[in-house]
Amino acid sequence: EVQLLESGGGLVQPGGCMRLSCAASRFTFNLYAMSWVRQAPGKGLEWVSSIGGSGSAIYYADSVKGRFTVSRDNSKNTLYLQMNSLRAEDTAVYYCAREVGLLDDWGQGSLVTVSS
Amino acid sequence: IQMTQSPSSLSASVGDRVTITCRASQDIRNDLGWYQQKPGKAPNLLIYAASSLQSGVPSRFSGSGSGTDFTLTISSLQPEDSATYYCLQAYNYPRTFGQGTKVEIK
Repeated sequence: EVQLLESGGGLVQPGGCMRLSCAASRFTFNLYAMSWVRQAPGKGLEWVSSIGGSGSAIYYADSVKGRFTVSRDNSKNTLYLQMNSLRAEDTAVYYCAREVGLLDDWGQGSLVTVSS
Repeated sequence: IQMTQSPSSLSASVGDRVTITCRASQDIRNDLGWYQQKPGKAPNLLIYAASSLQSGVPSRFSGSGSGTDFTLTISSLQPEDSATYYCLQAYNYPRTFGQGTKVEIK
């Protein structure tokens, strides 16, 4: 069974930065694209970013472009999301997910709260 | 691509047939999935390629459609189906979700 475990969330001040990690196991990590999806409190799902298996293909939502950077270390089976210039509206649970076109397996989520 | 999902919420009785729809703003072939999300949990993939049942998902769930109009049907609603359901288009980037449909049991 695929396992995805997010870490790195917490409280950060507006304008601050934070890096999320997603440790993957029980599948061949470098063969799969990976994605980040977030969900603000009481709101729906919002796709944030995707990265191809080799790391060469990268996509971002307009809402985070220029502020967030997705990356991966295939030697460590880990996906990252570097979040800079954080805003209150970035407050959300952030999920990593394995992508097979659709998102077939998800982590449990990591809460990021942007507040002073 | 905009995904318009309806209704935003519904209330139905155990055993009822329930239908949720998603409309894409352009042709997405059959590159669509349906997810179920329960409070405090990650979404769970129910249907992929618009009409294929994900392994382990009860057969009362089914999907149909192609192009721009898609439907998720629960043939006989069960208490454990109380959740929020989302569609997701995987035709291109940026990926987009529908707004969600909250299903409650009467």
